[in-house]
Amino acid sequence: KNEVEQSPQNLTAQEGEFITINCSYSVGISALHWLQQHPGGGIVSLFMLSSGKKKHGRLIATINIQEKHSSLHITASHPRDSAVYICAVRRGADGLTFGKGTHLIIQP
Amino acid sequence: NAGVTQTPKFRILKIGQSMTLQCAQDMNHNYMYWYRQDPGMGLKLIYYSVGAGITDKGEVPNGYNVSRSTTEDFPLRLELAAPSQTSVYFCASSSLSARKPYEQYFGPGTRLTVT
Repeated sequence: KNEVEQSPQNLTAQEGEFITINCSYSVGISALHWLQQHPGGGIVSLFMLSSGKKKHGRLIATINIQEKHSSLHITASHPRDSAVYICAVRRGADGLTFGKGTHLIIQP
Repeated sequence: NAGVTQTPKFRILKIGQSMTLQCAQDMNHNYMYWYRQDPGMGLKLIYYSVGAGITDKGEVPNGYNVSRSTTEDFPLRLELAAPSQTSVYFCASSSLSARKPYEQYFGPGTRLTVT
């Protein structure tokens, strides 16, 4: 079993819909990262959180440490949100452990 | 700042050839990482470094070597390329003392094909 599991693997939605991507992990962590990988391949960091909730624009990330679960929400989704969203956990300075990613397509 | 740069962007190698993937960062980050990304799989850590002169193995180090002689550079060496090393390679860096400690900054990736 992977240490980091994401669901769904693929998600297609219509523009304007509220999107939720889930991430569960099975190890103790220092922090959880949400990353976005564009169709061109570049990876950017969206959020890094160890408790509670963070918001940036239309993106919201939450984490429940007791349940070892995090969610990434996108409000008022737009076709430019189409990307792969990756959950990763950090235990120390020795790099991240990644989920397989969620392929999101937002149709106009 | 250029951030994290990687060269080359693309490379095709024959089985048994050697090459070095270059990675450099200009943010004075002490932590640097090499990951590989295979289709349908999550990124996996190959090697990492917590500072100049210090490197350590990650999850999938076999077939690779690294060195960290300066804070800026973290090259990844493939000695005898094998088809299993066909992948996209990402270098990343982070710092405990940055505005966002441990936030990872990724390079654009190197797409390597071994045939």
